[in-house]
Amino acid sequence: GENVEQHPSTLSVQEGDSAVIKCTYSDSASNYFPWYKQELGKGPQLIIDIRSNVGEKKDQRIAVTLNKTAKHFSLHITETQPEDSAVYFCAASRGGGSGGGADGLTFGKGTHLIIQP
Amino acid sequence: KAGVTQTPRYLIKTRGQQVTLSCSPISGHRSVSWYQQTPGQGLQFLFEYFSETQRNKGNFPGRFSGRQFSNSRSEMNVSTLELGDSALYLCASSFSEDTQYFGPGTRLTVL
Repeated sequence: GENVEQHPSTLSVQEGDSAVIKCTYSDSASNYFPWYKQELGKGPQLIIDIRSNVGEKKDQRIAVTLNKTAKHFSLHITETQPEDSAVYFCAASRGGGSGGGADGLTFGKGTHLIIQP
Repeated sequence: KAGVTQTPRYLIKTRGQQVTLSCSPISGHRSVSWYQQTPGQGLQFLFEYFSETQRNKGNFPGRFSGRQFSNSRSEMNVSTLELGDSALYLCASSFSEDTQYFGPGTRLTVL
């Protein structure tokens, strides 16, 4: 089955600096890669996702890059703010290729992002 | 549009009991997936239902089961609870493709 590794487990950056979280996956058939943000006491919130036919995607201060050959993808957060402090999870799946529903996501272990004021 | 709702939010049970958790997906979403989140194992996929049929299943024992109703609402059941079943159980809904939206979870504590 799929295996997703995520690094680092903890990342502390100064407010205003950039943060980068990296993930690798093992299943070459995976084609969907979402990133989730989880705050204390809440469920994971989807912040950005990318599919295997795209190499990079950006949404304001957040960007994700995908290298299918190397089987790794990364989350980049620029101009970090205190509200960015949370646990971030990467995930991978083969996608809903059958035309309906969703495949199970395999998650990384998470990165605790701390924004220092 | 209302998000994914899960009930109850907190639950305390004793070993050997069984428990049923409920999930209401986002209106119009037909796929519901369940995940278990623990500090040690992280987020793990339990199963996924689409149009009342279980389409995918993770690597969990048969004590974990689920079902989906015609209105897409879903329930998951855990029988013969063990201490190790203490976790946050998360439900996620999806319209027709990959994107899954999570609810706030049900915190289950087994004593």
